[in-house]
Amino acid sequence: ETGVTQTPRHLVMGMTNKKSLKCEQHLGHNAMYWYKQSAKKPLELMFVYSLEERVENNSVPSRFSPECPNSSHLFLHLHTLQPEDSALYLCASSQDRGTGFGRGGLNEQFFGPGTRLTVL
Amino acid sequence: GQSLEQPSEVTAVEGAIVQINCTYQTSGFYGLSWYQQHDGGAPTFLSYNGLDGLEETGRFSSFLSRSDSYGYLLLQELQMKDSASYFCAVRFFQTGANNLFFGTGTRLTVIP
Repeated sequence: ETGVTQTPRHLVMGMTNKKSLKCEQHLGHNAMYWYKQSAKKPLELMFVYSLEERVENNSVPSRFSPECPNSSHLFLHLHTLQPEDSALYLCASSQDRGTGFGRGGLNEQFFGPGTRLTVL
Repeated sequence: GQSLEQPSEVTAVEGAIVQINCTYQTSGFYGLSWYQQHDGGAPTFLSYNGLDGLEETGRFSSFLSRSDSYGYLLLQELQMKDSASYFCAVRFFQTGANNLFFGTGTRLTVIP
């Protein structure tokens, strides 16, 4: 396996189900991310794990729960979702190069293929 | 708050040049990145401007002007495979954070 992989690629679930999305990166990066991509909307950052520190978007509902057991694996646990949560969920990873201007501020992210989630 | 605005759609002819603009209302960011996403695919990194000016990578060039709160992606010698969505993104000054904030995206259609 190379790059960033995600499973499953497609998921259909009812509002009362509990499921988990899995992401694995094979790039030796030290940061991983979950994004939500809905139709006609920009990519929305949900969670960041960088150097074992978690940063989250405060607007993400608690029915989404991330878990990052190590720098290569990332999970998104889902429970009691709503139909409006149907979207493409993308995982990404990057190598945190610190901060600064010029190339030091570059945060090239490598994305997985995504999980297409449908909530009925 | 922060916002990154892009035209929603652009159509151009194969072989032509197209410019996709990104205007922003934010401050305190490290640089402007560009990502390409084909239908059904994952976003892939194209270019980055950490400093003002032009960066060239093959057929793609990107430009940033912080004084004008403006950047653009320039695609030359357009090919049919360039039909995709293009997103600008910035990384903010936030200690400990490592996040990108994405623009609304521009859907480019290349026609014969």
